[in-house]
Amino acid sequence: SQTIHQWPATLVQPVGSPLSLECTVEGTSNPNLYWYRQAAGRGLQLLFYSVGIGQISSEVPQNLSASRPQDRQFILSSKKLLLSDSGFYLCAWSVLGSWQYFGPGTRLTVT
Amino acid sequence: GENVEQHPSTLSVQEGDSAVIKCTYSDSASNYFPWYKQELGKRPQLIIDIRSNVGEKKDQRIAVTLNKTAKHFSLHITETQPEDSAVYFCAAKGASGTYKYIFGTGTRLKVLA
Repeated sequence: SQTIHQWPATLVQPVGSPLSLECTVEGTSNPNLYWYRQAAGRGLQLLFYSVGIGQISSEVPQNLSASRPQDRQFILSSKKLLLSDSGFYLCAWSVLGSWQYFGPGTRLTVT
Repeated sequence: GENVEQHPSTLSVQEGDSAVIKCTYSDSASNYFPWYKQELGKRPQLIIDIRSNVGEKKDQRIAVTLNKTAKHFSLHITETQPEDSAVYFCAAKGASGTYKYIFGTGTRLKVLA
C-alpha cells in the first residue's frame, strides 16, 4: 500500500534561518506531488506541485522553493525564513487524477 | 482564475441532526470533486468524492450531490455525532491534463451533544 512520510514533524526556527522539509512517498510510481501551507485556523494554500523529476510549478511567489530530485521525493526549502512562513506544511500525492492523499504534516514555528 | 466558494464557514448542529455544506466552483471543465475532513492538528483525510458523470453518491451517513449546470456540489451528513466535529474542505479538479486541486476555505462543524 502507498504511504507518505514527512519530516520533521515539528520545527522551531529563528527568523532568517534556512529551511528544508522533506516528503517521500512509498508504494507508487510517478506520483504528482504537492506542497501546501495552512496557517492557523485557515485553509490550504497550494505552494508548489510537481508532475515529474525536476518539474516544479510554483503557485505563490515567495521566499520558498521546491525540488524533486527523485521520483518519490519532494523537498521544500528556504534560504531565509520570515515570521509569515509559520504554519502547518502538508505534502500530498495523487495518481491518475484521483484524490489527494496528505502526509502527516510539519508544524513550523518561526520565532 | 479558478475559484471554489464554500459556505457556511462555521456550522453548529445538535447531535442527531443533519448538516449540509455547500460549494460552488467556477471552472466548468472541473470533473472531480473530493471532500476532506480535518480534525484538529491532523492531516486532511478524504471522506467522499464524486465525478462529474454522477449526480449523487452516498456512503453510510455521508452523501455528496453535484449539480453541473449550476456548478454546485454539497456535502450532507445525517444523524450527526460528536466525532463528526471537524473542519471540512471541498475541492474541485479540472479536466484531464490539469493537476491542481482548488480548495474551498473550509467549514468548521460543531456537533453539540
